[in-house]
Amino acid sequence: DTEVTQTPKHLVMGMTNKKSLKCEQHMGHRAMYWYKQKAKKPPELMFVYSYEKLSINESVPSRFSPECPNSSLLNLHLHALQPEDSALYLCASSQRTGGQGDTQYFGPGTRLTVL
Amino acid sequence: QKEVEQDPGPLSVPEGAIVSLNCTYSNSAFQYFMWYRQYSRKGPELLMYTYSSGNKEDGRFTAQVDKSSKYISLFIRDSQPSDSATYLCAMSPSSGGYNKLIFGAGTRLAVHP
Repeated sequence: DTEVTQTPKHLVMGMTNKKSLKCEQHMGHRAMYWYKQKAKKPPELMFVYSYEKLSINESVPSRFSPECPNSSLLNLHLHALQPEDSALYLCASSQRTGGQGDTQYFGPGTRLTVL
Repeated sequence: QKEVEQDPGPLSVPEGAIVSLNCTYSNSAFQYFMWYRQYSRKGPELLMYTYSSGNKEDGRFTAQVDKSSKYISLFIRDSQPSDSATYLCAMSPSSGGYNKLIFGAGTRLAVHP
């Protein structure tokens, strides 16, 4: 089973709202990722968690705040977003980080619209 | 110059055609090569994964890597309308503290009946 689940599927929020995206995997993977994907563009890496610790932040604005409560869950807290933050937010997981061609498996994404 | 170049298409073919999708890259450190399929408004789905040079076949799909030319390909035989999607190539180096995937722009494929 190579399933990564994400909730909600769709989210509409105002610029003053606070919301959270959730991601879950039960494959025993120890690395989890958040990506942002705009229409007709490839995914852009935002954050990487390795063994529940934040290991990579790709210079993401502080209005995006990741959290990894345990090895199976990954959250992305959203606050004071801008309309240009509207995108498909993808979660991925892999067995481990670091070389060796660790394969990343993606979830279905949350389509976020900021009004 | 981008690290990974991929023609965005769109590529339109009739059902049953052989489809060839390609990416070129500039970083000789890339050792792991992947193809993802992404349907509209869905997450990318891993199709093929290859290490270093050579061919790999899985059903109607064949992935080829030519490291000497820094060129990778995905062939789809007997293409079906259900193959209509965006195909993303992705690659990563063999070492380093973090497995960062470098994606191509994605090629949009339409297979018409």
